[in-house]
Amino acid sequence: GQSLEQPSEVTAVEGAIVQINCTYQTSGFYGLSWYQQHDGGAPTFLSYNALDGLEETGRFSSFLSRSDSYGYLLLQELQMKDSASYFCAVRSISSGSARQLTFGSGTQLTVLP
Amino acid sequence: DADVTQTPRNRITKTGKRIMLECSQTKGHDRMYWYRQDPGLGLRLIYYSFDVKDINKGEISDGYSVSRQAQAKFSLSLESAIPNQTALYFCATSDRSGGLSTDTQYFGPGTRLTVL
Repeated sequence: GQSLEQPSEVTAVEGAIVQINCTYQTSGFYGLSWYQQHDGGAPTFLSYNALDGLEETGRFSSFLSRSDSYGYLLLQELQMKDSASYFCAVRSISSGSARQLTFGSGTQLTVLP
Repeated sequence: DADVTQTPRNRITKTGKRIMLECSQTKGHDRMYWYRQDPGLGLRLIYYSFDVKDINKGEISDGYSVSRQAQAKFSLSLESAIPNQTALYFCATSDRSGGLSTDTQYFGPGTRLTVL
């Protein structure tokens, strides 16, 4: 089976940088995704890493180390609107060629003024 | 208009009742998914469908069934609802993809179901 671990809560101040870590155990790994979910809202896609290294999208960056089964999401220049839950998700083979996402439990980020 | 819609948005029902949650999408995606979300447990996959004739069980399919009526419609049924099925339910879609593409999933707004 698959398992993912990420911190349950992170707090930072506006303008700061925060890193949310994710470690995973899975077979047939294809990639690591990150999703953002505001309270009561739908999860929305942020980034995806299939290969080792850093992917940058504006203020958000995501990193993957396949050898360490580890990734992180880096949020820079934090804004109040970044307060949300962040989920890492592993894309892997479940059976045959079927690929599905397995989500972590989420990290609640609180941005303080 | 939203690309992925879910009905109803909120539902309160009693133990033993049959409930159907519906999902429609206008994105033209082949793949559709049903997840449930419980506090502190993230999103867990219930069922998924890669095309109209393909239905697969996810991590927590017991007590649920699905129907893929058309490419754009995927419904989730609780044949006899029980209180521990109280949760937030999300439908999602993704495009057919292969290789190293992201297989990004697009989520509906969710259905909050309460079973008394």
